[in-house]
Amino acid sequence: EDQVTQSPEALRLQEGESSSLNCSYTVSGLRGLFWYRQDPGKGPEFLFTLYSAGEEKEKERLKATLTKKESFLHITAPKPEDSATYLCAVNYGGSQGNLIFGKGTKLSVKP
Amino acid sequence: DSGVTQTPKHLITATGQRVTLRCSPRSGDLSVYWYQQSLDQGLQFLIQYYNGEERAKGNILERFSAQQFPDLHSELNLSSLELGDSALYFCASSIVSSYNEQFFGPGTRLTVL
Repeated sequence: EDQVTQSPEALRLQEGESSSLNCSYTVSGLRGLFWYRQDPGKGPEFLFTLYSAGEEKEKERLKATLTKKESFLHITAPKPEDSATYLCAVNYGGSQGNLIFGKGTKLSVKP
Repeated sequence: DSGVTQTPKHLITATGQRVTLRCSPRSGDLSVYWYQQSLDQGLQFLIQYYNGEERAKGNILERFSAQQFPDLHSELNLSSLELGDSALYFCASSIVSSYNEQFFGPGTRLTVL
């Protein structure tokens, strides 16, 4: 069964303490991997799209990378406002042709 | 602000009732998607419409239906509501297909009592 798995489920960091979030996928024929940020009770906010292994995208303190089996979201020197749930989603062009979401990593950054 | 609007923000209703959720996509986007998010299931794709036509179906119950109108806004109809239907319902839109980035609305929180 096609799956998207995110780890860890929760991550607590001190302000300035860099770390990485992982998204591994077992789908074949990847058509795109998407990262979203979601604050409690809000809609997911689009961050990045990655299409091929080796691709990297950056935005402020966030950097997303992609390999053939997983993606990483690197957070450099995080601030408390980076606290949110980060969601990974995969489009594999399957019968549904739509996104499969992971369950997310809840990030807390303490000052 | 993603440009996607959803109404209402909150909806409280009783079991057995029927409700309609409304979504307006970003200007220029032709595809609309509906998702359900509950605490234990995460974000689950329900259905996609493209330019008025149903394009893809996910885990949508037979009690649920949707449509997209000529002005591209969409409605999700939920009937014979059960307690387990309580969740956040999100609408998203993209330019054409699911290979493009999807932009999400603020959601409708449905509570079934």
